[in-house]
Amino acid sequence: GIQVEQSPPDLILQEGANSTLRCNFSDSVNNLQWFHQNPWGQLINLFYIPSGTKQNGRLSATTVATERYSLLYISSSQTTDSGVYFCAVDRGGDDKIIFGKGTRLHILP
Amino acid sequence: NAGVTQTPKFRVLKTGQSMTLLCAQDMNHEYMYWYRQDPGMGLRLIHYSVGEGTTAKGEVPDGYNVSRLKKQNFLLGLESAAPSQTSVYFCASSYEPDRGSHEQYFGPGTRLTVT
Repeated sequence: GIQVEQSPPDLILQEGANSTLRCNFSDSVNNLQWFHQNPWGQLINLFYIPSGTKQNGRLSATTVATERYSLLYISSSQTTDSGVYFCAVDRGGDDKIIFGKGTRLHILP
Repeated sequence: NAGVTQTPKFRVLKTGQSMTLLCAQDMNHEYMYWYRQDPGMGLRLIHYSVGEGTTAKGEVPDGYNVSRLKKQNFLLGLESAAPSQTSVYFCASSYEPDRGSHEQYFGPGTRLTVT
């Protein structure tokens, strides 16, 4: 099956800093999503981005499907950005969705 | 829209007891999923369904059964709970054929402890 690797596994930043999270996948995919799991455990959709670039406020994401990676950019970090960021992929149709192990982000005030 | 809801939110079971977790979605999604999340393991797919009346095994199906008798509901059953099934369980749904979207939406989770 598809392997999904996220890096870095852990990231500690000062409030106001920018960060880039990476998701590599081992095979072609039709669907890719980024999620944020907040400290209360809630999973929040950030981007549905099988290819291309999307932006939503301070967050943006780029997926280069041909090179099998996706990047999540967080600018001007706030303490509320803390939590775990997951990337999830699948090949479409009835294929299973596979999650990476996540990047744990901690923003210091 | 309520989105994806799960009941119960918390449960404590003794080893050998059985229970059913209920997931409901009101987005007319075709696909539904059950995941478990353990510390340091990310999310692992237990079972999923691509339509009413269908189910399929995910990555970690042993010890669980599922049913999808109605499109909006997906049930996860534990017939004989074991301490290894202590986890947080998430339900999700996806796939709107009209929009061609596979965007996945998650419920709030169920925290299960088996003693």
